[in-house]
Amino acid sequence: DADVTQTPRNRITKTGKRIMLECSQTKGHDRMYWYRQDPGLGLRLIYYSFDVKDINKGEISDGYSVSRQAQAKFSLSLESAIPNQTALYFCATSDGDLNTEAFFGQGTRLTVV
Amino acid sequence: RKEVEQDPGPFNVPEGATVAFNCTYSNSASQSFFWYRQDCRKEPKLLMSVYSSGNEDGRFTAQLNRASQYISLLIRDSKLSDSATYLCVVFSDSNYQLIWGAGTKLIIKP
Repeated sequence: DADVTQTPRNRITKTGKRIMLECSQTKGHDRMYWYRQDPGLGLRLIYYSFDVKDINKGEISDGYSVSRQAQAKFSLSLESAIPNQTALYFCATSDGDLNTEAFFGQGTRLTVV
Repeated sequence: RKEVEQDPGPFNVPEGATVAFNCTYSNSASQSFFWYRQDCRKEPKLLMSVYSSGNEDGRFTAQLNRASQYISLLIRDSKLSDSATYLCVVFSDSNYQLIWGAGTKLIIKP
């Protein structure tokens, strides 16, 4: 089983719908991250959390929200999905700061039509 | 100008050859550097950190040139399994940002 698990793996949704992407980890790391990846662009940080009571905006947080339900769980929500949120989304964890090795989930391919 | 730039490739290289690619970064205050590998439709995985003195891990060598603000990755005796996209990642303590390059695609041909 993967150490960082994302659900769903693929999702097609309509414009305006609310959607939640879930991430759970068994690595015991405090730090969790949500990234999106678009063709021709590097990964961009959406939100990150250093522990259950800590949530921080990343580079591109507009249109997204997160919830850290437990040390092992970090979910990403799109309150009202729009087509330019079509992307590959990755959850990641790390044992230390942003400049330590990140361990990624397998990704969620989201299409907003 | 992008903060971290990579040649997108693809680099088509015969098996057994040596291949090198660079990554340039714009923030001179950057302090930590990494190469990640991403297979098609998979998640990125850390390949190696890049140290100031340069470092080697088997067939892979990473170098940092602070004066010219680039890092490089050299792969010797390339294998078919080296085919992947290689992502350059730069961290700056000053603005607490981790910036990812868009990646260089490498295809090793038999």
